[in-house]
Amino acid sequence: GAVVSQHPSRVICKSGTSVKIECRSLDFQATTMFWYRQFPKQSLMLMATSNEGSKATYEQGVEKDKFLINHASLTLSTLTVTSAHPEDSSFYICSARVGDPYSNQPQHFGDGTRLSIL
Amino acid sequence: GNSVTQMEGPVTLSEEAFLTINCTYTATGYPSLFWYVQYPGEGLQLLLKATKADDKGSNKGFEATYRKETTSFHLEKGSVQVSDSAVYFCALSGVRAAGNKLTFGGGTRVLVKP
Repeated sequence: GAVVSQHPSRVICKSGTSVKIECRSLDFQATTMFWYRQFPKQSLMLMATSNEGSKATYEQGVEKDKFLINHASLTLSTLTVTSAHPEDSSFYICSARVGDPYSNQPQHFGDGTRLSIL
Repeated sequence: GNSVTQMEGPVTLSEEAFLTINCTYTATGYPSLFWYVQYPGEGLQLLLKATKADDKGSNKGFEATYRKETTSFHLEKGSVQVSDSAVYFCALSGVRAAGNKLTFGGGTRVLVKP
């Protein structure tokens, strides 16, 4: 149980294009989803918290106009990297949590998306 | 604020050796503690968790005990296998007022050689 699917697993595109990454909870409803960024050999950096039906909460220093998050249903959140540039190249990981926004249940992670901007 | 400190890697071991990865934390209140494992090119998988003091989380031969007096949650395995080679992350989930975000340690890379 508690499977999170992330798609695509790898994206290579030209500078200036926008890229959409999907995160789905397959066998549970996720009121809250999280988006992380991970640089090589480093820990995960939380970008934003996404609650179904409301605006995402972004961490300090994360550009909300650059990284658009939509959480339209209890099983799907999307991250769109707009007008991507080489410095946006990274490994992006989503997670989902069962329960209300203040639940202490563990987060379940997707397999990540390797984004490479040429 | 909350923070998690774990030993830096890489940790290189021979198969069947004993593994310990130290993790200490700083947090207000009574956080939940987690160990996640990341295999190359993949996301994180929950390995084990503990939600209150003296709880012991265990899974796949790994164990960790929530020690409030030493604010620690060290990960141990008695006999590692090559398949245990991965990066291990210690994490805590804050109290309700903090929205229960996860705070991660820096990760410890473990390499098990045959």
